[in-house]
Amino acid sequence: SQQGEEDPQALSIQEGENATMNCSYKTSINNLQWYRQNSGRGLVHLILIRSNEREKHSGRLRVTLDTSKKSSSLLITASRAADTASYFCATSGGANNLFFGTGTRLTVIP
Amino acid sequence: DAGITQSPRHKVTETGTPVTLRCHQTENHRYMYWYRQDPGHGLRLIHYSYGVKDTDKGEVSDGYSVSRSKTEDFLLTLESATSSQTSVYFCAITAGSTDTQYFGPGTRLTVL
Repeated sequence: SQQGEEDPQALSIQEGENATMNCSYKTSINNLQWYRQNSGRGLVHLILIRSNEREKHSGRLRVTLDTSKKSSSLLITASRAADTASYFCATSGGANNLFFGTGTRLTVIP
Repeated sequence: DAGITQSPRHKVTETGTPVTLRCHQTENHRYMYWYRQDPGHGLRLIHYSYGVKDTDKGEVSDGYSVSRSKTEDFLLTLESATSSQTSVYFCAITAGSTDTQYFGPGTRLTVL
């Protein structure tokens, strides 16, 4: 399966701290995306990084990609209670299909 | 939710009954997807469509069929529901030049 795997499965931090979650995948990719899911809701796209990019920023989000290690990390800086959610990586190998990981559940304690 | 609606939002049914879930989009997107989400498995692709009457299987297609007779509607049918199909089902579309997906609100299906 091309499915990514996130690590850790769950993460609990204090408000204001940084949160880092990692994604590993198995096959070559065109791009890697990160999504967020609030409880009981659908997934929301956060950021996309292409296979020829190494780092990308969007607001408080920083994503890195290491294609040689087949891994990516998502850093959320200065976390807020509203960042509490599950975060998923998704890999694309083409054909408009994505393969999602099992997610990291982030809890930010006020 | 990018103009995507799903119906019903919740359904409880009995084993052996047929069930149809509907995904409706208002922006003429070509690609539509059905996923199921289960604890410990993340999202798994059931079927997808790349145009009217053009569909293909995903990772977990057994026990499911789909139809797309209009651009705006993508139907997922469980011909004879089983308890293993208890799950949350999400519809998604692809918009723009990348394969970024936008998701509907989900349907929670319970098969007793």
